[in-house]
Amino acid sequence: EDQVTQSPEALRLQEGESSSLNCSYTVSGLRGLFWYRQDPGKGPEFLFTLYSAGEEKEKERLKATLTKKESFLHITAPKPEDSATYLCAVQAPNFGNEKLTFGTGTRLTIIP
Amino acid sequence: NAGVTQTPKFRVLKTGQSMTLLCAQDMNHEYMYWYRQDPGMGLRLIHYSVGEGTTAKGEVPDGYNVSRLKKQNFLLGLESAAPSQTSVYFCASYNRGRGIQYFGAGTRLSVL
Repeated sequence: EDQVTQSPEALRLQEGESSSLNCSYTVSGLRGLFWYRQDPGKGPEFLFTLYSAGEEKEKERLKATLTKKESFLHITAPKPEDSATYLCAVQAPNFGNEKLTFGTGTRLTIIP
Repeated sequence: NAGVTQTPKFRVLKTGQSMTLLCAQDMNHEYMYWYRQDPGMGLRLIHYSVGEGTTAKGEVPDGYNVSRLKKQNFLLGLESAAPSQTSVYFCASYNRGRGIQYFGAGTRLSVL
C-alpha cells in the first residue's frame, strides 16, 4: 500500500527565514511525486512534479528535490504570501487510473 | 482553479437526507475524481472515472454513488447522509498529457 508522510504538521517562520518541508513516501514504483499548495477555503493548486531521484524543480522561492525515499520542499526567504498548506502526493503504476495518494500536509505560516 | 467548477459551495443536511454534488470541467479531460478531505486524514479518493459512462471505486466509496453521463460532468451522490460524511469534498480532473490533476474549489458539507 502506498504511503505518504509529511513533516512537520505545522511550521511557523519569520519572514525571510528559510526552511524545508519533508515528504517521506513508500510506493511500489514511483511514477511521479507531486507538490500542491492549498490556501484556506480553496482547492489544491499544482506546484511541481518530480519523476526520478536527483531531480529538482524551482519556482520563485520554492525548490523541490527528490530522493528514492523522500522529497523536500525548500523555501528560501519566505514572504507572508507563502503561508499555506503544502501537500505532497505520489503516483504509482496503477493500471490506468492515474490516482494519487496524498499526505496530510504541512501548514506553513510566515510571520511578517 | 480555472476549469473545474463545483456546486454548491456549502450545504447543510440533516441525517438521512440526500443530495448531489456537481463537478464540471471545461478542459475536455477524460479522467475525473472525487476526494474528501478531513482534518488529519489528508485527501482520500472516493470514486473516479476514466471516461464518459465509466465509474470506479476509490479508497472510501461506501455511502456514495457517482455518475458520468457527460464527459464534462461528474456527479457525486449521497443517498442517505450520515454525520460521518461531514467533510470538504473536492473534484479533480486529469490532464494526461501533463500528468497533472486540477482541483475545484470544494464543497463544504455538514450533516447534522
